[in-house]
Amino acid sequence: NAGVTQTPKFQVLKTGQSMTLQCAQDMNHEYMSWYRQDPGMGLRLIHYSVGAGITDQGEVPNGYNVSRSTTEDFPLRLLSAAPSQTSVYFCASSYRDRDTYGYTFGSGTRLTVV
Amino acid sequence: RKEVEQDPGPFNVPEGATVAFNCTYSNSASQSFFWYRQDCRKEPKLLMSVYSSGNEDGRFTAQLNRASQYISLLIRDSKLSDSATYLCVVMGDGSSNTGKLIFGQGTTLQVKP
Repeated sequence: NAGVTQTPKFQVLKTGQSMTLQCAQDMNHEYMSWYRQDPGMGLRLIHYSVGAGITDQGEVPNGYNVSRSTTEDFPLRLLSAAPSQTSVYFCASSYRDRDTYGYTFGSGTRLTVV
Repeated sequence: RKEVEQDPGPFNVPEGATVAFNCTYSNSASQSFFWYRQDCRKEPKLLMSVYSSGNEDGRFTAQLNRASQYISLLIRDSKLSDSATYLCVVMGDGSSNTGKLIFGQGTTLQVKP
């Protein structure tokens, strides 16, 4: 059981380039989300999805797009990379059982924008 | 004001010591509470959920005070392997329960031999 798989693990981009961070889960979880983690800031929510075809913005959505065409995949697109987007990105998925959630995080993508 | 606030530390303690971390949250409508552990450059992993009645898992005890909007984690008999960053996490904002997690910045623990 793979859990949550993020690719790539590391990436260096030039300012202005675009790219997609991939996230896939094989647990049939409804909920998926993207967080970024910067030094001293904790994890901050970028975008989330409560099911296929449904997405919504989190705390820091600017500069990022998402889509959820399938239950399994939740890619994060950087439209025009900026140095401020240098960060560690974590994808997470979660089941929901009434009011109980069970989160699983991917191992992260370390992105540097130069 | 941050929604979830923690003392970043670091807390440097000797093996065998007891150490306590505290966390406050601002949204009184928050519904669920957790402590996560994060090792250096790794993903966060759930350590334990936090209930109003308090809960214990081996050397770890978590407590929630809803009236004061305060969460705590107590680690007894610290081990070298407990060295990590401990993240206080809150879920729910009182509206439709979308399962969003709000993270504190984390408290770093270093256990010394």
